[in-house]
Amino acid sequence: GDSVTQMEGPVTLSEEAFLTINCTYTATGYPSLFWYVQYPGEGLQLLLKATKADDKGSNKGFEATYRKETTSFHLEKGSVQVSDSAVYFCALSDLTGGTSYGKLTFGQGTILTVHP
Amino acid sequence: GAVVSQHPSWVICKSGTSVKIECRSLDFQATTMFWYRQFPKQSLMLMATSNEGSKATYEQGVEKDKFLINHASLTLSTLTVTSAHPEDSSFYICSARNRGRQPQHFGDGTRLSIL
Repeated sequence: GDSVTQMEGPVTLSEEAFLTINCTYTATGYPSLFWYVQYPGEGLQLLLKATKADDKGSNKGFEATYRKETTSFHLEKGSVQVSDSAVYFCALSDLTGGTSYGKLTFGQGTILTVHP
Repeated sequence: GAVVSQHPSWVICKSGTSVKIECRSLDFQATTMFWYRQFPKQSLMLMATSNEGSKATYEQGVEKDKFLINHASLTLSTLTVTSAHPEDSSFYICSARNRGRQPQHFGDGTRLSIL
């Protein structure tokens, strides 16, 4: 079945440092890929997405490129802020049909802490 | 943007009680809703997929009689945890998706604590 593997955390950075959170996936077909962010005690918010190979999703300074050849969707940000501290989830969406069409498969999540 | 409202946000109740959690899409028709469960510091685990007007599809290992899901309208799905016990304590999150569209939009979650 489909699966998503994220780099293990937690990740601790100083403000303005460069961030990379690795994400690789296995899937049948051509899934859409997502990064979600979860702040403490809250649900998930979509951070960015990519629907096909070589697409780059970007939002709030975060970027990720859909790499089919390496089955990866690594999240990057050039300069993190304290407010970026949260849990980040990589996910893929099953678009192969059936009753669970569109269900998301999540990675295990990476806790990011940014210090001033 | 699209908004999903989940209620209640926090509930504490005694063992044996049944608890209902509501998930509403506020500005779009949610043909599909998903229910997830999240344990502390862990990822989200899909419990079931709910399509409007039909029975929910449960993931392997999820008890249908324990976690009752109803999706009677295009804007509301409910999850009822029946005869809840302490091991059912968790963070439950719903998401909703419009017909054929991505991405899913998530509610803010419900923290359920069973004493």
